[in-house]
Amino acid sequence: AQSVTQPDIHITVSEGASLELRCNYSYGATPYLFWYVQSPGQGLQLLLKYFSGDTLVQGIKGFEAEFKRSQSSFNLRKPSVHWSDAAEYFCAVGARGSNAGNMLTFGGGTRLMVKP
Amino acid sequence: DGGITQSPKYLFRKEGQNVTLSCEQNLNHDAMYWYRQDPGQGLRLIYYSQIVNDFQKGDIAEGYSVSREKKESFPLTVTSAQKNPTAFYLCASTQRPPDSPLHFGNGTRLTVT
Repeated sequence: AQSVTQPDIHITVSEGASLELRCNYSYGATPYLFWYVQSPGQGLQLLLKYFSGDTLVQGIKGFEAEFKRSQSSFNLRKPSVHWSDAAEYFCAVGARGSNAGNMLTFGGGTRLMVKP
Repeated sequence: DGGITQSPKYLFRKEGQNVTLSCEQNLNHDAMYWYRQDPGQGLRLIYYSQIVNDFQKGDIAEGYSVSREKKESFPLTVTSAQKNPTAFYLCASTQRPPDSPLHFGNGTRLTVT
């Protein structure tokens, strides 16, 4: 079974600074990879996904993520953070060929705070 | 616009009472899911359903029950057997697992005292 680790529980950055959120996964083959964002009291919204092909994936709201097979990582980046980016971010891993039940495993989340 | 509607947003119950959380989707998705979210623990799968009249237990199904009588609806009952029911509950759906991303509702926060 797959697993996901988000090493940073909380991250604080200044508005306008760059951002990188870490995600490491464990899976025997190339997984499906997702990043979701959650505002307080809301559901999750998909930021981007990686299935195959180009390992640098562009998403919504100016986010991108890079799949690095050698490091089993899928880190999320943004060159310049806006105050509205403050939220919780979840990395998720899906197993290829899985059924609907074990399709996704979520990391514990990283809460991003943005300083003015 | 298509989406997933969860109701109510906040729910309060006394210990020992069963409570049902509603989830309705108009995305025409076959697969639906219930997740529980606790601080620092990410999302844990309670139940899922791939098709009408069929559902399967997830990782933490004890103390919960579901039904899937219609494609659009997947209600979750939190029973009195659930030892720690206070949590944020999220419903999600997808057209074609695992390729397609999950679409989420806005959640129901359940508080049991």
